[in-house]
Amino acid sequence: ELKVEQNPLFLSMQEGKNYTIYCNYSTTSDRLYWYRQDPGKSLESLFVLLSNGAVKQEGRLMASLDTKARLSTLHITAAVHDLSATYFCAVANFGNEKLTFGTGTRLTIIP
Amino acid sequence: DTAVSQTPKYLVTQMGNDKSIKCEQNLGHDTMYWYKQDSKKFLKIMFSYNNKELIINETVPNRFSPKSPDKAHLNLHINSLELGDSAVYFCASSQEAEREKVNEQFFGPGTRLTVL
Repeated sequence: ELKVEQNPLFLSMQEGKNYTIYCNYSTTSDRLYWYRQDPGKSLESLFVLLSNGAVKQEGRLMASLDTKARLSTLHITAAVHDLSATYFCAVANFGNEKLTFGTGTRLTIIP
Repeated sequence: DTAVSQTPKYLVTQMGNDKSIKCEQNLGHDTMYWYKQDSKKFLKIMFSYNNKELIINETVPNRFSPKSPDKAHLNLHINSLELGDSAVYFCASSQEAEREKVNEQFFGPGTRLTVL
C-alpha cells in the first residue's frame, strides 16, 4: 500500500528565514504534486513533478523530486507572512489516478 | 467562471438523515473525484468516475453512493448519516490521464458536513 509521509507536521518560522518541507513516499509513482490549502479553503495546485531531478520554482517556493530516493522537497526562501498555510504533497500513478496525500505541513510565518 | 463548484457549502444535519452533495465542473474534464478531509486535515480518495463510469471505489461504507448523471456532474448521496461522517468533502476533476502528462486535478471549494 502506498504511503506518503511529510515532515515536519507543524512548522513555525520567522519572516525572512529559509526552510524545507520533506515528502517521502513508499512505492514508485509517476507524478508528485504539491498543493496549498488556506484555512477553510480549497486546495490550490502549486507544482506537478514528473521526472527524476525535476525542479520547479514559483516565487519564494521551489519544489524538487528525487525518484530514486522517493523524496520530494518544498523549499521556502525568505519566508513572508502570506505563505502561512497547510502544504500537502500527493502522488499518483498512471492508470490509477487517485491522489494519495501526505499528512500535510501546517506552516506559520511569524512577523 | 470555469471551475469546479459544489453545493451546499455547509450542511448541518441530524444522525440518521439522508443527504446529498452536488458537484459540477465546466472544465470539460472526463474524470471526477470525491475526497474526504477529516478533522485532522487528512485527505483521502473516496470515489472516481470517468465518463460516468465508476473507476475507483475505495473502502467506503455503502451508505455512500456516488451518482454521475453526465460527465460534468458527480453527486454524493449519503444514507443514514453517522457522527463519524462529519468532515469536509471535496470534489475534483481532471482530464483523462495520459502517460507523462501532468493530469492536474482541480478541486472544488468543499462542503463542510456536520452531523449532530
